Amino acid sequence: DAGVTQSPTHLIKTRGQQVTLRCSPISGHKSVSWYQQVLGQGPQFIFQYYEKEERGRGNFPDRFSARQFPNYSSELNVNALLLGDSALYLCASSLGGNQPQHFGDGTRLSIL
Amino acid sequence: AQSVAQPEDQVNVAEGNPLTVKCTYSVSGNPYLFWYVQYPNRGLQFLLKYITGDNLVKGSYGFEAEFNKSQTSFHLKKPSALVSDSALYFCAVRGLSSGSARQLTFGSGTQLTVLP
Repeated sequence: DAGVTQSPTHLIKTRGQQVTLRCSPISGHKSVSWYQQVLGQGPQFIFQYYEKEERGRGNFPDRFSARQFPNYSSELNVNALLLGDSALYLCASSLGGNQPQHFGDGTRLSIL
Repeated sequence: AQSVAQPEDQVNVAEGNPLTVKCTYSVSGNPYLFWYVQYPNRGLQFLLKYITGDNLVKGSYGFEAEFNKSQTSFHLKKPSALVSDSALYFCAVRGLSSGSARQLTFGSGTQLTVLP
């Protein structure tokens, strides 16, 4: 079975641009979460969606937004990119409840 | 607010020796606790979880973890380390209350190096 897939794998942008990252969850998983992992740190929670509704938001500015589609895939959008947005962006899916989250390999975003 | 501390940035152990990676947590109420492993240029891979019940939890690849409520700890252990266990290990906690406490909070990670 396919795991969580994320696209693109790598992305280079310049300051002020906008970016959209995509995530396809494991089949049957209705919950999708997004995390930002800066080099040398643990992942920081950005958003969680369940059944297309936002269930949680981390301490990130309004430049960050996300949505979940009827097929449970998800997009993360970041506007007005800053140098500090350079990071590995991870998507995780789960069945919900007490079940563990399963992560994709991430999108490496570099801001020049 | 919930938090996780991994006090060791780096742990070195000889192949065949037992290993321990330490984790302490802070959360309101009963915790859900998780261990994940990350290999270079990859996402996080689930190892094991504690929800309730037996304090010793067994997971993937021979890893286990011991939940200690009085010490608010959830240390990861393996009886005999392999060189292939070398990776970055993350402890995470999730609370049971509503709102943001239900989100996963990760520690800063511990780099495990198993020496041949």
